[in-house]
Amino acid sequence: NAGVTQTPKFRILKIGQSMTLQCTQDMNHNYMYWYRQDPGMGLKLIYYSVGAGITDKGEVPNGYNVSRSTTEDFPLRLELAAPSQTSVYFCASSQYTSNNSPLHFGNGTRLTVT
Amino acid sequence: ELKVEQNPLFLSMQEGKNYTIYCNYSTTSDRLYWYRQDPGKSLESLFVLLSNGAVKQEGRLMASLDTKARLSTLHITAAVHDLSATYFCAVNAKGSGYALNFGKGTSLLVTP
Repeated sequence: NAGVTQTPKFRILKIGQSMTLQCTQDMNHNYMYWYRQDPGMGLKLIYYSVGAGITDKGEVPNGYNVSRSTTEDFPLRLELAAPSQTSVYFCASSQYTSNNSPLHFGNGTRLTVT
Repeated sequence: ELKVEQNPLFLSMQEGKNYTIYCNYSTTSDRLYWYRQDPGKSLESLFVLLSNGAVKQEGRLMASLDTKARLSTLHITAAVHDLSATYFCAVNAKGSGYALNFGKGTSLLVTP
């Protein structure tokens, strides 16, 4: 059972380049999320999705885009990368229930923009 | 805006000692989560607290929830080095597809 899989694990971008961070989950979860983690700042929500075809902005969406064409996949697109986007990015999924529904996190993508 | 505050943010403690991490949140929430993160790793779910007065224990860690006070505690009993990690509390953010709002984390170091 793979859970939430993110690729790549590491990436270095030059300012102005673009890239897509991939995220896929095999748990048939409806809810998926992208967070970024900066040192000492906890995790900030970038975008989320409540199901295929439905996405919405989180707390820090500027400079990012997402799509959700299938239940399994939730890629995050960075256009015109900036140094402020240097961070660790985590994808997560959940199936909200009345009993117990923590977010399941991928292993993260460490991105450096120089 | 939902705010989640943890304290302390840094904690150095000796093996064998007890300590408590506190998590306050600013608006009502129906559940609270505790996660552990080791350096360079992902986040691992520790506890989900679903109601007022809920208490959960796993090994040397015990979490509790007081929804009236909007307070959760993570108590560490007889700390061991393996507990060294960063601990996050989080609550559901309303209107964000049940996304979680996280505290800044408590970095715990257990020393001999």
